[in-house]
Amino acid sequence: EIVMTQSPATLSVSPGERATFSCRASQSVSTKLAWYQQKPGQAPRLLIYGASTRATGVPDRFSGSGSGTEFTLTISSLQSDDFGVYYCQQHNAWPLTFGGGTQVDIK
Amino acid sequence: QVQLLESGGGVVQPGGSLRLSCEGSGFTFSGYSMHWVRQAPGKGLEWVTVVSFEGVVKYYGDSVRGRFTSSKDNFSNMVYLEMNNLRPEDTGVYYCVREYTINNWFFENWGQGTLVTVSS
Repeated sequence: EIVMTQSPATLSVSPGERATFSCRASQSVSTKLAWYQQKPGQAPRLLIYGASTRATGVPDRFSGSGSGTEFTLTISSLQSDDFGVYYCQQHNAWPLTFGGGTQVDIK
Repeated sequence: QVQLLESGGGVVQPGGSLRLSCEGSGFTFSGYSMHWVRQAPGKGLEWVTVVSFEGVVKYYGDSVRGRFTSSKDNFSNMVYLEMNNLRPEDTGVYYCVREYTINNWFFENWGQGTLVTVSS
């Protein structure tokens, strides 16, 4: 099983600031990495797939990068609506696995 | 638009069984693999199982293999999760999700989730 490790566990960011999240895979997943945002009481929302492709309707302040085992999600200028928990997921091999999440709080 | 509607959640005793259902609409159901993803209270996401577009190929996560069985009925646009020998750690919200496109195993379309509680 590919283990996905996210850091930090919690991030507190002021509106307008840049936010950066890290996701590390225990073995290479090529660029088969997705990012999701989840708000309380809601299903997750797909943000990025293929490591760097934005999903439909996702603002361009969200960007993804990386390949192999190291990946990054960046929010260039955090908006108040960007609070929630962010998860990475590898879609390269069975079983599919998620990271433990990074909680974003708005300062 | 794509809609996924789960049902069947509830409270069950440890060792018991439960069957979850998910009805898909707004897309060609027979053309997509369907997955179940769960989330324990206050915890992260855990992939549970996939059933292939034709309902033949199935994979399971280590924690449920041998206890859970997924199935797909393309005539009624339904996917099912049969859960046996349930444990307290199976408690959580179970989401029915559709693969993005064939063989792209990430998820744009999620159901609203159904809550399973395993407790005596």
